[in-house]
Amino acid sequence: AQKITQTQPGMFVQEKEAVTLDCTYDTSDPSYGLFWYKQPSSGEMIFLIYQGSYDQQNATEGRYSLNFQKARKSANLVISASQLGDSAMYFCAMREGYSGSNYQLIWGAGTKLIIKP
Amino acid sequence: DAGITQSPRHKVTETGTPVTLRCHQTENHRYMYWYRQDPGHGLRLIHYSYGVKDTDKGEVSDGYSVSRSKTEDFLLTLESATSSQTSVYFCAISERPGGQTETQYFGPGTRLLVL
Repeated sequence: AQKITQTQPGMFVQEKEAVTLDCTYDTSDPSYGLFWYKQPSSGEMIFLIYQGSYDQQNATEGRYSLNFQKARKSANLVISASQLGDSAMYFCAMREGYSGSNYQLIWGAGTKLIIKP
Repeated sequence: DAGITQSPRHKVTETGTPVTLRCHQTENHRYMYWYRQDPGHGLRLIHYSYGVKDTDKGEVSDGYSVSRSKTEDFLLTLESATSSQTSVYFCAISERPGGQTETQYFGPGTRLLVL
């Protein structure tokens, strides 16, 4: 079973509109971390935002916020006031539990976001 | 930006030859990772390291080996390159577990073409 699911392979959004990118996860571990990364066409992987499973509040970083709904196992990324430079692939990832030295991330397949002028 | 460099950035090699990719960090982070990224597969973990000389296998480790003799360097070796190892290779680092310090930061990537 997929542990990280990003159901939107691609999205088109008008510039200046808000964008919500979906991510659902599957874990039975009470301790986990959720991450969002951006990969523009130039190829680099850019960290955007982190949410810990015990964090009481939704994470925010500038125009990025994470809509964390624990009971629904959902960690959607919200980008406010989208810009042309937001066009990129977006990946959701999860670190599941703590197991000694093991801090592997489990990755979603990504969502390709295109911002239209 | 985290100080992570990868070398070479681009490489073309022939099937059967050994290839070594280098990841160098200036952040003194304990954890280092090698991923490959292929269309349709997203990011897949090859090997990771949790300290000097401490390494372990990831999801797709067959045909790859790693070494970490210093905190700052993590080497990935393709023992005998095959065309299926044509990919983009990313190195990542993270500081320590728990909270945002476990965030992985990525190097610029290496594009490898095996002919």
